[in-house]
Amino acid sequence: GEDVEQSLFLSVREGDSSVINCTYTDSSSTYLYWYKQEPGAGLQLLTYIFSNMDMKQDQRLTVLLNKKDKHLSLRIADTQTGDSAIYFCAETPVSGGYNKLIFGAGTRLAVHP
Amino acid sequence: NAGVMQNPRHLVRRRGQEARLRCSPMKGHSHVYWYRQLPEEGLKFMVYLQKENIIDESGMPKERFSAEFPKEGPSILRIQQVVRGDSAAYFCASSPRTGVGTDTQYFGPGTRLTVL
Repeated sequence: GEDVEQSLFLSVREGDSSVINCTYTDSSSTYLYWYKQEPGAGLQLLTYIFSNMDMKQDQRLTVLLNKKDKHLSLRIADTQTGDSAIYFCAETPVSGGYNKLIFGAGTRLAVHP
Repeated sequence: NAGVMQNPRHLVRRRGQEARLRCSPMKGHSHVYWYRQLPEEGLKFMVYLQKENIIDESGMPKERFSAEFPKEGPSILRIQQVVRGDSAAYFCASSPRTGVGTDTQYFGPGTRLTVL
């Protein structure tokens, strides 16, 4: 079946690194995504990783993928108060060749001074 | 290039009324997805449409809910005889073509439906 799980809350101090974890179940998923949602807003695509990659880095963001364990993580370096938001992990199972996203429940990141 | 537009941003309906949610995809995008987000939950897929066609409606309740994406104009998600459990944020996303990966979905700001 299709299921994505994330821890619900993470609190970090400004300037520290944040690591948000996600596990997924569908091994057919070829791409995995991280989206950010600020209060009252829509979803902003942060980054994605192809399933044949182990790591992807984009400025302050590092995505690690352990395909064997079906584990995905997002590391935010030098976390700032503007990073406070809900972060969603999503997978795209191969079904009909289109992009049906399966989301986790989201991790609420709180950054404090 | 304007992003995905949704209106209204907030909609209040009484039980039994109809709710009509509109989504205008990004220019050049012919694929539209609708998702529902219940309070404190992640987004759940509802329906995927291409111009004039419903491709996958497996996530949409069979009764009271319908969706369309006409040749001209926005995509519409219609909820008839709303109940309190329909209160949620409804997000629309568009993409330029089918397929996965770099053909990513761009989300609108959502319509927050409140049923009294």
